[in-house]
Amino acid sequence: GIQVEQSPPDLILQEGANSTLRCNFSDSVNNLQWFHQNPWGQLINLFYIPSGTKQNGRLSATTVATERYSLLYISSSQTTDSGVYFCAPRNAGNMLTFGGGTRLMVKP
Amino acid sequence: KAGVTQTPRYLIKTRGQQVTLSCSPISGHRSVSWYQQTPGQGLQFLFEYFSETQRNKGNFPGRFSGRQFSNSRSEMNVSTLELGDSALYLCASSLALGSSYEQYFGPGTRLTVT
Repeated sequence: GIQVEQSPPDLILQEGANSTLRCNFSDSVNNLQWFHQNPWGQLINLFYIPSGTKQNGRLSATTVATERYSLLYISSSQTTDSGVYFCAPRNAGNMLTFGGGTRLMVKP
Repeated sequence: KAGVTQTPRYLIKTRGQQVTLSCSPISGHRSVSWYQQTPGQGLQFLFEYFSETQRNKGNFPGRFSGRQFSNSRSEMNVSTLELGDSALYLCASSLALGSSYEQYFGPGTRLTVT
């Protein structure tokens, strides 16, 4: 199956700072999703991004499928951005394969 | 449109018992997947159902099973519970089968086995 590595594993930011989270995957994929897991455990959809770049407010994501990586950018971070961010590519096998996540803490 | 719902939200069971978890997908969604999240193993795929048939299965023992009903609601069952089954169980739904469909997750059921 696909191997997924996310970096950094932990990140502490001051409110207002920008950050880049990286997701590397080992095989070709049909699509990729980014999620934010809130403190209660729910996975919130951020992006569905098999390739290219998308933006949603302060967040944007880029996937370069040919080079097997995806990036999540968070600008002007807020305390509510705290939590764990997961990337999850999917291949023809259909299931999402999750990385280990990046645990983000934004301090006021 | 209502999101994916899961019941119960919290559950405490004793080793050796069995448990059934329920998932109602987003209206119109026909594919339901189940995932297990533990601190040690992270998020792992359990199985996926579409049109009342299991279409894909992860690497879990036969104690883990599931089914899907004609209204697309799904249940998963774990028999002979072990301490290691303590986890957050997440259900996800998508419009149809296939990797080109975005998956949406429910709030999860947190199972504790004592």
